Amino acid sequence: KAGVTQTPRYLIKTRGQQVTLSCSPISGHRSVSWYQQTPGQGLQFLFEYFSETQRNKGNFPGRFSGRQFSNSRSEMNVSTLELGDSALYLCASSLRSGIATGELFFGEGSRLTVL
Amino acid sequence: DAKTTQPNSMESNEEEPVHLPCNHSTISGTDYIHWYRQLPSQGPEYVIHGLTSNVNNRMASLAIAEDRKSSTLILHRATLRDAAVYYCILRGIDTGTASKLTFGTGTRLQVTL
Repeated sequence: KAGVTQTPRYLIKTRGQQVTLSCSPISGHRSVSWYQQTPGQGLQFLFEYFSETQRNKGNFPGRFSGRQFSNSRSEMNVSTLELGDSALYLCASSLRSGIATGELFFGEGSRLTVL
Repeated sequence: DAKTTQPNSMESNEEEPVHLPCNHSTISGTDYIHWYRQLPSQGPEYVIHGLTSNVNNRMASLAIAEDRKSSTLILHRATLRDAAVYYCILRGIDTGTASKLTFGTGTRLQVTL
């Protein structure tokens, strides 16, 4: 069974640009969550989508947005990039949303460098 | 969100048991205790979870204190491939908190020959 696939794996952007990251969840999984990982802040929750609807949102500015398609694939977008947005962006999928016993499956991440 | 406290780092010799502690003194009665680990250059992966009773799976065991204010992840025979950052996470049954994982700083486990 294929795991969570994130593309691109690495990318470099300059300040002010925007970026779109993609995540394909495990087949049959309907919940997709996004996390940002930086050396200073660690792993932080960005948002979660389930059945094309945003269910939860972390404490990030509006420059960070996302969406989910009918096939459960998800994209996240960061506009007007800042140096501090340099991070590893991780996507996680799970069967359902809001289940405290559910297992999250993470992808390998997209490493964004902002110059 | 209820908070967890873990040692920053631990060391172990290969093929010896490892006990990774986690304190969660403000845990609520409905919070599940989850453990994830992150190997170098990879995303986190699920290890184990429990509520009140001790749990075992093929990867590890989870020992939960009777008052649930602490727990211990046990790797029975550490291998070099177990070198990772281990995160202890509480997940409540409220749909909002259940859906997001709040990662702390975790414990970096080093395994040596």
